[in-house]
Amino acid sequence: GNSVTQMEGPVTLSEEAFLTINCTYTATGYPSLFWYVQYPGEGLQLLLKATKADDKGSNKGFEATYRKETTSFHLEKGSVQVSDSAVYFCALSGVGRRALTFGSGTRLQVQP
Amino acid sequence: NAGVTQTPKFQVLKTGQSMTLQCAQDMNHNSMYWYRQDPGMGLRLIYYSASEGTTDKGEVPNGYNVSRLNKREFSLRLESAAPSQTSVYFCASSQQDVRQGAKNIQYFGAGTRLSVL
Repeated sequence: GNSVTQMEGPVTLSEEAFLTINCTYTATGYPSLFWYVQYPGEGLQLLLKATKADDKGSNKGFEATYRKETTSFHLEKGSVQVSDSAVYFCALSGVGRRALTFGSGTRLQVQP
Repeated sequence: NAGVTQTPKFQVLKTGQSMTLQCAQDMNHNSMYWYRQDPGMGLRLIYYSASEGTTDKGEVPNGYNVSRLNKREFSLRLESAAPSQTSVYFCASSQQDVRQGAKNIQYFGAGTRLSVL
């Protein structure tokens, strides 16, 4: 079956540092890949997505590239802000599957 | 811009009590979902509804029932709550049918935090 593996957190960075959160997946066929973000006390919000190999999703300074050869979809941001502190979930959706498959989430803490 | 609305936001139950979590969406979406979120485990699908009048089990359906009341509303019922059901519950909706997974962008409610004592 499908699965998503994320790096464990928490990840603690200083403001303006470079961020990478690793995500790898296992799936049959060609899934779509997503990053969702959950701010404290809120539901999940779609951050970015990619639907085919070599696609790059981007939003709010965050980027992730769909790498079929390494089955990865790592999240990056060049300069994090305190307001980026949240939990980040990598997820996939495959054709014919019932719903999204989520990773366990990575908590990011950005210090001033 | 209501999106997906869940009620209640918080609930405390005693073991054996029953309750229904409510979810409504105003985006005219076909598909709706119930997930539970537990520490270190991400979100796991409980039940989903591909369209009005249909429901199907997800990864962890035991102890739950659902009703797709109409296109807008999808409720989750705990008939006899157990401490293992202490969790945060999220409702989500999406425009496309689940069989079109590649375009399956889901929109989430703010969640219901449930404690079962």
